[in-house]
Amino acid sequence: KAGVTQTPRYLIKTRGQQVTLSCSPISGHRSVSWYQQTPGQGLQFLFEYFSETQRNKGNFPGRFSGRQFSNSRSEMNVSTLELGDSALYLCASSAAANYEQYFGPGTRLTVT
Amino acid sequence: GQQVMQIPQYQHVQEGEDFTTYCNSSTTLSNIQWYKQRPGGHPVFLIQLVKSGEVKKQKRLTFQFGEAKKNSSLHITATQTTDVGTYFCAVSGSARQLTFGSGTQLTVLP
Repeated sequence: KAGVTQTPRYLIKTRGQQVTLSCSPISGHRSVSWYQQTPGQGLQFLFEYFSETQRNKGNFPGRFSGRQFSNSRSEMNVSTLELGDSALYLCASSAAANYEQYFGPGTRLTVT
Repeated sequence: GQQVMQIPQYQHVQEGEDFTTYCNSSTTLSNIQWYKQRPGGHPVFLIQLVKSGEVKKQKRLTFQFGEAKKNSSLHITATQTTDVGTYFCAVSGSARQLTFGSGTQLTVLP
């Protein structure tokens, strides 16, 4: 079974720009969660989608949004980028939200 | 959401020594998961504990869930350089989202 894939792997953006990250879950997995990982804050939950519906949302500003498509692929968008948004963004898929999570390799976002 | 404290934050051990990381919650947990993240990598699922007092082993790794389901530990016997990485616990609350502990970064000195 192919693992979770994320694109792009690396991204450099300027403050004020927006960015879209993509995640393809493991085949058959309907739950996709997004996390932000930084050295100072650790792994923080952004949101979780299941069957195209956002079921849970973490404590992040509205600049962070996401969606899920009918094939379970998911995208997250960050608008009006700030320097503090520099992080590793990880996508994880699972059969259900609190089942074991299978993580993708992540997208390393640098905001300058 | 759920809060979980993980200690220690860092641990340096000599190869062959044992290592333990702990996760503690003020509330009763329905289950707890453990993940390992190698340097430059992504978290990889290790195990899930569900039952009170549960003990599970994976080769040199022993996972325990407390009797009150408020704490858990991961113990590695005779560490090897391949054990290097950050170990996270993760707990789920009523909102069905996973909350990760802050992680324990393990360094194994050869």
